[in-house]
Amino acid sequence: DSGVTQTPKHLITATGQRVTLRCSPRSGDLSVYWYQQSLDQGLQFLIQYYNGEERAKGNILERFSAQQFPDLHSELNLSSLELGDSALYFCASSAPSLGANEQFFGPGTRLTVL
Amino acid sequence: DQQVKQNSPSLSVQEGRISILNCDYTNSMFDYFLWYKKYPAEGPTFLISISSIKDKNEDGRFTVFLNKSAKHLSLHIVPSQPGDSAVYFCAARSYNYGQNFVFGPGTRLSVLP
Repeated sequence: DSGVTQTPKHLITATGQRVTLRCSPRSGDLSVYWYQQSLDQGLQFLIQYYNGEERAKGNILERFSAQQFPDLHSELNLSSLELGDSALYFCASSAPSLGANEQFFGPGTRLTVL
Repeated sequence: DQQVKQNSPSLSVQEGRISILNCDYTNSMFDYFLWYKKYPAEGPTFLISISSIKDKNEDGRFTVFLNKSAKHLSLHIVPSQPGDSAVYFCAARSYNYGQNFVFGPGTRLSVLP
């Protein structure tokens, strides 16, 4: 158990809909990262937050947005969903130091768009 | 543009033998490399890392080798055990990207009893 929790575990929805994925980082971790893993693909970095502020952006679509709240949990919002958004979405967190080298991953949310 | 490549999607080895997983990268600015292991229905878990100032790092049965001139790293598992069967991801980072890692597509290792 990494200490990172993600809810829900599974999500099935229809095209055009909007969903929210939730992540709680390890106790004390200030950074939260979101990744997308499509079928047989590596982990694609989406976005990073550090202590409530956006720190870095990767290949995140404009239809997607995220935020990190004062209690450090984070939410990833996916809107106008398309079939191609079906994937595993992972959240990771890392230690307070910005120089931390290791990320701890949650179990992921499997999103299926029908 | 895939900056981190794992050209073998899968690998099968016999229990007790050596498993060698390979990873190639294109960005010479990468200065830190990690291997993650992933079981089905779980998130990736950190396995071992290496800084670009080293060429080898060892942790128990796991050894990572880095060849900077070839932009190549490899993970050796000796001896391989059935519990090592998982997908292994190589990841790389450079300070240009902050703390963000670029992941390879993964190699599925099967250790046969």
